[in-house]
Amino acid sequence: QVRLKESGPRLVQPSQTLSVTCTVSGFSVTSYHVSWVRQPPGKGLEWVGAIWKGGSTDYNSALKSRLSISRDTSKNQVFLKMNSLQTDDTGTYYCAKHSIYNNFDYWGQGVMVTVSS
Amino acid sequence: DIQMTQTPSSMPASLGERVTISCRASQGISNYLNWYQQKPDGTIKPLIYYTSNLQSGVPSRFSGSGSGTDYSLTISSLEPEDFAMYYCQQYDSSPLTFGSGTKLEIK
Repeated sequence: QVRLKESGPRLVQPSQTLSVTCTVSGFSVTSYHVSWVRQPPGKGLEWVGAIWKGGSTDYNSALKSRLSISRDTSKNQVFLKMNSLQTDDTGTYYCAKHSIYNNFDYWGQGVMVTVSS
Repeated sequence: DIQMTQTPSSMPASLGERVTISCRASQGISNYLNWYQQKPDGTIKPLIYYTSNLQSGVPSRFSGSGSGTDYSLTISSLEPEDFAMYYCQQYDSSPLTFGSGTKLEIK
């Protein structure tokens, strides 16, 4: 059974770094791409970036300078790090598995992150 | 970046009604268009991939169509569980982008 679960801090101070972990089961991160998608409260979905099954990454150009996505294949985990956080980075952060048809066929439940002092 | 304009932003509708949600890309996206449903608890579910292909387990009352820059999602007869948010998403080029969403509400 495919599952993705995000974990990380619920509260981060402005200018600090966000670190979120996506722990997956039921598939290998070396066999399928994994993306991060975020959603500000009451707003729509925004693609943050992806780590491809081969290990290379692709980032939303609007966030690229602050973003790093990596993985630990031995633990089947994908990591999101975003620095210099501002209040408009507040939102729910989801990880999602890519299908072979290039849609997101499985999503985590999301982790709500608030950027506030 | 490819902008996805989704209309309407909200749609009141009745049980059993047929509804269509539209999504227009700022440039041609070669049918690389997916649809998702999001429930109020945040759960996101895939509905349609590559314009018109039904995700496994999704009821056949959902269908997708389109080409070029214009795409649509149709629900043939609304069921209670269909009242939710819907998003389109293009994957023709990076960055992947989503439409702004359509809230399907009970009339």
